[in-house]
Amino acid sequence: DAGVIQSPRHEVTEMGQEVTLRCKPISGHDYLFWYRQTMMRGLELLIYFNNNVPIDDSGMPEDRFSAKMPNASFSTLKIQPSEPRDSAVYFCASSLRGGTTYNEQFFGPGTRLTVL
Amino acid sequence: DQQVKQNSPSLSVQEGRISILNCDYTNSMFDYFLWYKKYPAEGPTFLISISSIKDKNEDGRFTVFLNKSAKHLSLHIVPSQPGDSAVYFCAASRYSGTYKYIFGTGTRLKVLA
Repeated sequence: DAGVIQSPRHEVTEMGQEVTLRCKPISGHDYLFWYRQTMMRGLELLIYFNNNVPIDDSGMPEDRFSAKMPNASFSTLKIQPSEPRDSAVYFCASSLRGGTTYNEQFFGPGTRLTVL
Repeated sequence: DQQVKQNSPSLSVQEGRISILNCDYTNSMFDYFLWYKKYPAEGPTFLISISSIKDKNEDGRFTVFLNKSAKHLSLHIVPSQPGDSAVYFCAASRYSGTYKYIFGTGTRLKVLA
């Protein structure tokens, strides 16, 4: 299996622009998570989905952030408009309920976002 | 408010010695704890976990200890190897059907050859 796939790996944009991050979870996994990593706050959970349905979006920082999962193999995280403080590494992870290790989440390689 | 804290941002250890990484949590409802390891330019990968019904779990060179009364867990790596140099995140979970992790800020371990 290819693991969790994220694109792009790096994104540099200017303040005010729309940014879309993409994720393909591991086939068969029914949970998908979006995280943001910063030095100050570590790994923060933004939102997660179960069977394509958003379950908890309490970590989404502002209305500028939105996430969708139109099908089991694709999810997007969108920031509109972007701001310099959104600069971080964004990770997508997926997991399978009842998998071999309780609650193990498999992470993608991340997207490093820089907003100028 | 950080519910999971890793107060040491970095740690350096000589090869062959023991590495001890610490993690504290505030929510007594957490019942499952995990350690993830992260290399540069890669996503975190699962390392070891422990349920709140145990106080120790061992997997090869890695052992996690849980002290529920102190709300403290630690990861011991013995012996440490240069390939263990990475950022280590602890995470806590409260099973309520949500599979939601709360992560700490991470500790960067450097194992010196």
